[in-house]
Amino acid sequence: ETGVTQTPRHLVMGMTNKKSLKCEQHLGHNAMYWYKQSAKKPLELMFVYNFKEQTENNSVPSRFSPECPNSSHLFLHLHTLQPEDSALYLCASSHPGLGPRGDTGELFFGEGSRLTVL
Amino acid sequence: GNSVTQMEGPVTLSEEAFLTINCTYTATGYPSLFWYVQYPGEGLQLLLKATKADDKGSNKGFEATYRKETTSFHLEKGSVQVSDSAVYFCALTTNAGNMLTFGGGTRLMVKP
Repeated sequence: ETGVTQTPRHLVMGMTNKKSLKCEQHLGHNAMYWYKQSAKKPLELMFVYNFKEQTENNSVPSRFSPECPNSSHLFLHLHTLQPEDSALYLCASSHPGLGPRGDTGELFFGEGSRLTVL
Repeated sequence: GNSVTQMEGPVTLSEEAFLTINCTYTATGYPSLFWYVQYPGEGLQLLLKATKADDKGSNKGFEATYRKETTSFHLEKGSVQVSDSAVYFCALTTNAGNMLTFGGGTRLMVKP
């Protein structure tokens, strides 16, 4: 148990569906992240939120829409996805970096949401 | 830009064998280096880290030394167990915003 909870754990959707992934953390962190993990590819950072503000969008297609209503919750809204979007979507949280040599780098990950797009 | 290169897996070992998983990096600036581990069905968790040259990170019998001269951060363990079977990710960050760059991951399989 890392303190980061993702739901649902598994999701199957058609290309015309609209669905959402949810992430919740009770670790007191102010930074939250969405990563995509595909088979045989490096972990891809999608979005970063610091203090509820989006600070990074790593050229993610608009069919993925993040939402961060507060520092404890992060959503990923999915719309008109493609089969190649099937992957494990990982949420993570952390304290924002405290300085160049400060307490950086420890991300706390959820167990992921396994998405299959038919 | 930043990049991390890991040896491709899977790495298959017998229990009590010695483990090395190679990791090399390129970075703009002075990176902090990390190893994360992903057990089956779980998310990633931090295994160890090192923030400056010649530092050695260690945890659960695993070690890695920050080698600036060879831009490497190889993961080692003297005697692996079946429970160490997992995917291991090398990663780095060069800024205060925890923007980690991950390697491709190396799957370790330990047989009894």
